Amino acid sequence: IQLTQSPSFLSASVGDRVTITCRASQGISSYLAWYQQKPGKAPKVLISAASTLQSGVPSRFSGSGSGTDFTLTISSLQPEDFATYYCQQLTTYPFTFGGGTKVEIK
Amino acid sequence: EVQLVESGGDWIQPGGSLRLSCAASGFTFSGYAMAWVRQAPGKGLEWVSAISIGGDTTPYADSVKGRFTISRDNSKNTLYLQMSSLRAEDTAVYFCAKCYTHCQNNYFDKWGQGTVVTVSS
Repeated sequence: IQLTQSPSFLSASVGDRVTITCRASQGISSYLAWYQQKPGKAPKVLISAASTLQSGVPSRFSGSGSGTDFTLTISSLQPEDFATYYCQQLTTYPFTFGGGTKVEIK
Repeated sequence: EVQLVESGGDWIQPGGSLRLSCAASGFTFSGYAMAWVRQAPGKGLEWVSAISIGGDTTPYADSVKGRFTISRDNSKNTLYLQMSSLRAEDTAVYFCAKCYTHCQNNYFDKWGQGTVVTVSS
């Protein structure tokens, strides 16, 4: 299963609403996770099962979608949110990741 | 507190072998599936392999199949990745990751800090 993220690069300002999409090459129900990775650090899970916010993750993050089309939304971008975001499917081996979306400061 | 600490990364020549370890603590290691993920310099994340709770299911990415072997020692709370016939394209940071119970239809809820493998002559 291939995951296509868009955009691959995003320039935004603090306070902006940001939306990242992830499209699967075949249906994966709701078995999609979103991760945030900052430079030199390990990824951190933000959302599981397409829309379940992980404990400790700010409520400005939200996820939606099912089947083949998924969205990660940051409602009001904060300075600490500038990072690279990845989607991942764990329905079928190999457990593929999307190509990533780098969110940078405008 | 859950901790995953990778070790064993090194500089190695093409064709060589290396074994990575991931020492787990803060949870009942034998009760969780585990995985390895790698990230080449400046690139995205690539899932490498996973191992089931019982160790009997061990899928691999096509890029490493037949060259890498994942294993676990529940008595030592340690995950391993034996890598052989290494190629330049295996150069990456290797992360171990803990699955939320099983990996399939779940997610990786904890990650180690990574260990660097450089394959070069």
